[in-house]
Amino acid sequence: DTGVSQDPRHKITKRGQNVTFRCDPISEHNRLYWYRQTLGQGPEFLTYFQNEAQLEKSRLLSDRFSAERPKGSFSTLEIQRTEQGDSAMYLCASSLEGDYEQYFGPGTRLTVT
Amino acid sequence: AQSVTQPDIHITVSEGASLELRCNYSYGATPYLFWYVQSPGQGLQLLLKYFSGDTLVQGIKGFEAEFKRSQSSFNLRKPSVHWSDAAEYFCAGPQGNNRKLIWGLGTSLAVNP
Repeated sequence: DTGVSQDPRHKITKRGQNVTFRCDPISEHNRLYWYRQTLGQGPEFLTYFQNEAQLEKSRLLSDRFSAERPKGSFSTLEIQRTEQGDSAMYLCASSLEGDYEQYFGPGTRLTVT
Repeated sequence: AQSVTQPDIHITVSEGASLELRCNYSYGATPYLFWYVQSPGQGLQLLLKYFSGDTLVQGIKGFEAEFKRSQSSFNLRKPSVHWSDAAEYFCAGPQGNNRKLIWGLGTSLAVNP
């Protein structure tokens, strides 16, 4: 068990560019969550997958954001036409069906210039 | 609405001193509650969890937390703080059927030598 991994760890992009982040959950975990964290704040929920189904999306997730988990394993989060306000740490977490605790990856730090 | 509140934004303690970080919750039923720790630029590590049963729960790194229903609190404690404990600490609880976590704003802990 290698834990939750995220790639890349850091991403610097220019405003208007598209970016894609990847999350690999703990292998037997069927629940996967994305959160966003800005400086000095707690994480904010973005979206949730159970297996390959996206079951909940936050109002924070504008039309420019899309997430997938095509085979119920890894997940991707894409941001189109990035804006400076998208600069944040994007965190992925996974958990087992029936469990409440979530295990987090190291996060992807996005900086939009 | 369910909520988790951390009243202290920043706390400074001397190495070797005891520590208590406050967390208050607002839940209708018996809550599930967690404490996570985040070192600078890192993801979130689960310190401990409360589900039911014993109100004093033990976690990793020598931390413990006590659930007090009468005070709607779940405070984190450590009898003797080490310099490596300097980090951001978050209290969180699940919300809704999808168990997404709602978070306090965090408490930043500084440790003086």
